[in-house]
Amino acid sequence: DAMVIQNPRYQVTQFGKPVTLSCSQTLNHNVMYWYQQKSSQAPKLLFHYYDKDFNNEADTPDNFQSRRPNTSFCFLDIRSPGLGDAAMYLCATSRALSRENQPQHFGDGTRLSIL
Amino acid sequence: AQSVTQPDIHITVSEGASLELRCNYSYGATPYLFWYVQSPGQGLQLLLKYFSGDTLVQGIKGFEAEFKRSQSSFNLRKPSVHWSDAAEYFCAVAPFGNEKLTFGTGTRLTIIP
Repeated sequence: DAMVIQNPRYQVTQFGKPVTLSCSQTLNHNVMYWYQQKSSQAPKLLFHYYDKDFNNEADTPDNFQSRRPNTSFCFLDIRSPGLGDAAMYLCATSRALSRENQPQHFGDGTRLSIL
Repeated sequence: AQSVTQPDIHITVSEGASLELRCNYSYGATPYLFWYVQSPGQGLQLLLKYFSGDTLVQGIKGFEAEFKRSQSSFNLRKPSVHWSDAAEYFCAVAPFGNEKLTFGTGTRLTIIP
């Protein structure tokens, strides 16, 4: 089945130690998103790629970076994780068309813990 | 900018009873509307979407939603809930031609026997 896969499902890192989360998709969607979701809150969009074009949200901290080396993969890099970055990170994809918005398809997320 | 309000933070329903989850949106034109469900520790799964046409939309798992332009609402309903429906439910909106979603704060659904 075509899907969005996030690895790892659980990630533990140390305060200040860089960490990378990965997302891959077999849907061939041209848009990929990264969301941060803290406990009992709605997902918050960090940034998204429309094809190769990177779109950062205005309030996304500089500590968060992203790479999309090809259509299938997208990475979230946290350069110096702080305790406040502990959260679930969700990757989503969609196939953007000019006439209507296609729904986003989500992976199962990576739960990041900071020691 | 668009916004979404889910006024019920937590709802408890008996198994077999009917369910309605409320969603109100604020947007200048008719937006694209979605309902997603999230089980604990999982990602979000699309239940249904509304783009245009028939205002009563059928989704997966026996859910439906009705778009009411006059009330700026897109409430989710199910005639008879199952224990497996216990989850967090998010309403979301996106403007035409813009792929970015704005989520509501979610409604947690608890099912009691």
